[in-house]
Amino acid sequence: GQSLEQPSEVTAVEGAIVQINCTYQTSGFYGLSWYQQHDGGAPTFLSYNALDGLEETGRFSSFLSRSDSYGYLLLQELQMKDSASYFCAVASYNQGGKLIFGQGTELSVKP
Amino acid sequence: SAVISQKPSRDICQRGTSLTIQCQVDSQVTMMFWYRQQPGQSLTLIATANQGSEATYESGFVIDKFPISRPNLTFSTLTVSNMSPEDSSIYLCSVYTGDNEKLFFGSGTQLSVL
Repeated sequence: GQSLEQPSEVTAVEGAIVQINCTYQTSGFYGLSWYQQHDGGAPTFLSYNALDGLEETGRFSSFLSRSDSYGYLLLQELQMKDSASYFCAVASYNQGGKLIFGQGTELSVKP
Repeated sequence: SAVISQKPSRDICQRGTSLTIQCQVDSQVTMMFWYRQQPGQSLTLIATANQGSEATYESGFVIDKFPISRPNLTFSTLTVSNMSPEDSSIYLCSVYTGDNEKLFFGSGTQLSVL
């Protein structure tokens, strides 16, 4: 089967940097994605890693280590609008392209 | 990217009735996915809707309870049948377009069953 673990909640202050970790167990792994979801909204895509290393998109970066079955989302220069839930999700060849989501991390950004 | 129109956005239904949720995409897509998200919880995949074939259901979800139609490459419906309060949830349709790295979601249907 597949499983993902991420912290349930994280709190940080405006302007800070926060890292949300995700460990996963799956066979036939081919990618780790991150999604953001604001209260009452639909999830929106943030980033995707298929290879080891860091992918940077503006204030957000995502890292993957396939050998450690581990990834993280790094949010820099935090803003109040970054308060949301963040989900990691895995795709595997065994699952035919379906995404399986982690439980989500609720990020609260304080002034 | 993809623009997904999902409706209704919310509904309040009586126990024992059924609700059909519609999802329209602005481009042709091979697979459409239906997820459920209970309050404060993660997204759980219900089924994958393929055009021209039966939907593929995940463990714990059955066709009699969640029948799905996929008449063409831009449209799908999910019906929640014989509803009970336990079906109260947000239901989301989603698609990949272009590269298979990004999943786009409809705005969701918030269902409350009394």
